[in-house]
Amino acid sequence: AQSVAQPEDQVNVAEGNPLTVKCTYSVSGNPYLFWYVQYPNRGLQFLLKYITGDNLVKGSYGFEAEFNKSQTSFHLKKPSALVSDSALYFCAVRDKTGGYQKVTFGIGTKLQVIP
Amino acid sequence: GAGVSQSPSNKVTEKGKDVELRCDPISGHTALYWYRQRLGQGLEFLIYFQGNSAPDKSGLPSDRFSAERTGESVSTLTIQRTQQEDSAVYLCASSLPTGGPSATFFGQGTRLTVV
Repeated sequence: AQSVAQPEDQVNVAEGNPLTVKCTYSVSGNPYLFWYVQYPNRGLQFLLKYITGDNLVKGSYGFEAEFNKSQTSFHLKKPSALVSDSALYFCAVRDKTGGYQKVTFGIGTKLQVIP
Repeated sequence: GAGVSQSPSNKVTEKGKDVELRCDPISGHTALYWYRQRLGQGLEFLIYFQGNSAPDKSGLPSDRFSAERTGESVSTLTIQRTQQEDSAVYLCASSLPTGGPSATFFGQGTRLTVV
C-alpha cells in the first residue's frame, strides 16, 4: 500500500526567509508525486508534480520541490516566503500503474508566514 | 460556472439522519471525484465518475454511502443513517477525461458535522 507522511502539522517562517515543507512517501515502484495548496476558503489547487526527469521540479507561485529517491522524500521549498503563502499544503503520491483516483494524500501541513 | 461548486458549505445533522451533498463540476469536465477528509487525516478517495463508464466505487467506506451523477453534470453524495464517524469535509473535484493532477480542480468542500 502506498502512503504519504507530512511530519509537521505546522511550519512557521518569517517573511523573506526560505521555507521547507517536508514530505516522505512509500510506494511500490516509481512514484508520481504532487503538491497541492489550499488557501483559506478556497478549493485545493495544484502546485507542481514530479513524473520523471530532473529531480528539481518548479511549480506555481515560485515553489519548487526536490525528488530524492534514496530518502523517499519530496520536500516543498521556496527561497523567500511571502505572507500570502500562508495556507495548507498537501503532498500526494501514486504509483505509475494506478489511475488518478488512486492518489494518496498526506494530512496536510499548515504554513504560517509571519510578517 | 467558473469553478467546482459544492453545496451546502456546512451541514450539521443528527445521528441517524440521511444527508445529501451536491457537487457542480466545471462545465465539460467528464471526470468527477469525491474525497473525504476527516480531522487530522489525509484525503480519502471515495468514488470516481468518468463519462458514461461504470463509476469506481472502491473507496466508499460502507453501503450507507452512495453517489450518483446525472450525465456529465451534477453529482450527489448521499450518506444514509449518518454516524458521528462520518463527520468530515467532503471534497469534490473534476477534470477533463485526459486531465491529470494539474488539470483537476477541487471545490471548497462541504463540512459535515454529525451530532
